[in-house]
Amino acid sequence: GAGVSQSPRYKVAKRGQDVALRCDPISGHVSLFWYQQALGQGPEFLTYFQNEAQLDKSGLPSDRFFAERPEGSVSTLKIQRTQQEDSAVYLCASSLAGGPAYEQYFGPGTRLTVT
Amino acid sequence: GQNIDQPTEMTATEGAIVQINCTYQTSGFNGLFWYQQHAGEAPTFLSYNVLDGLEEKGRFSSFLSRSKGYSYLLLKELQMKDSASYLCAVDNYGQNFVFGPGTRLSVLP
Repeated sequence: GAGVSQSPRYKVAKRGQDVALRCDPISGHVSLFWYQQALGQGPEFLTYFQNEAQLDKSGLPSDRFFAERPEGSVSTLKIQRTQQEDSAVYLCASSLAGGPAYEQYFGPGTRLTVT
Repeated sequence: GQNIDQPTEMTATEGAIVQINCTYQTSGFNGLFWYQQHAGEAPTFLSYNVLDGLEEKGRFSSFLSRSKGYSYLLLKELQMKDSASYLCAVDNYGQNFVFGPGTRLSVLP
């Protein structure tokens, strides 16, 4: 079956531009996570949804970052007024049941480069 | 606070056994995951430990000691395709999911 998909796979933005990154989780998966991964580092948690409810957004680095999952399926991570330090791979993951204590299935990521 | 430590890099020979350690200090603990990540690819699930002891799955085994805040991933009969980063991650009582920095393993012929 289809896995987690993310689009675009690559995005180049000029500093100050807004970007929107999309995640399509595995159908029926309740939980959805966003992570930011810098080169050579482990993923860093950004935010977590259970269905359409955003239960934890403690990892979002600033108020320029915003995530939504309005119908409990597709999610969008939006970054406003991008800065160079936002350059990273943004990973989306989904899991079948509520809560992180279940195997997470990761998408291929979106590599964002801010110039 | 949250702190997860892993060695940055390890090198081993094809056919050998390697142990990758992970120590953690987190505000909560509900289990520990190991993921494998090849360069430029998404992490893929390897194992999940919630109770103390060893979980074996083919060539890969994972061990957990909750009292010591310690886990390791054991890879046997190493193959070239095992060259990847290995990430340990703590399930922080359902609040969030904290990854370690990853260990980059190089398998040499």
